[in-house]
Amino acid sequence: KNQVEQSPQSLIILEGKNCTLQCNYTVSPFSNLRWYKQDTGRGPVSLTIMTFSENTKSNGRYTATLDADTKQSSLHITASQLSDSASYICVVSLRSNDYKLSFGAGTTVTVRA
Amino acid sequence: GAGVSQSPRYKVAKRGQDVALRCDPISGHVSLFWYQQALGQGPEFLTYFQNEAQLDKSGLPSDRFFAERPEGSVSTLKIQRTQQEDSAVYLCASSLVGRPINQPQHFGDGTRLSIL
Repeated sequence: KNQVEQSPQSLIILEGKNCTLQCNYTVSPFSNLRWYKQDTGRGPVSLTIMTFSENTKSNGRYTATLDADTKQSSLHITASQLSDSASYICVVSLRSNDYKLSFGAGTTVTVRA
Repeated sequence: GAGVSQSPRYKVAKRGQDVALRCDPISGHVSLFWYQQALGQGPEFLTYFQNEAQLDKSGLPSDRFFAERPEGSVSTLKIQRTQQEDSAVYLCASSLVGRPINQPQHFGDGTRLSIL
């Protein structure tokens, strides 16, 4: 069973609008939670990394939040651009094997003009 | 180059053939990882090197899979007697330090392997 579940599976938004992606995880105890962006045919690119003690982290128009008590994270994209069209993957690592990352299946975001 | 480089980008092989996939990590990066990504799924961990030492190979799906990094830089993932279920994108990632706690892993663009 996947330890990282993401929702929605896909979504379509209009350029300039905001959206929020969700991630629930069961990995415990965990070391850190990451969000990656993966363009079609490319490797994932790191957006944010949060330790269990952090609540929020921003990278430009991307803001990630973390609630370690409920084991939930979200990624908010502000003022979306066409280049934001990609898969966004939530990734969690165990404290005991912090180099070994557990990936969600991703949310595919399509931004339309 | 500045990033992780993988070759070939695409590989088509007949079932039963052996294949070798190459990864050039970012220069000076200590940690190197291999992942397997099925269509529509997130990557799954295969193996981890710290310099030339293979510290974790628990994700390798069978003994047909073998990875090496003999000089602590370039790595090769070899798959023997390929089967159709080996068809996937194989991603390589590197990180600057060993045990990259809270450090980003930098990914290559992968090798798309298709087994006919």
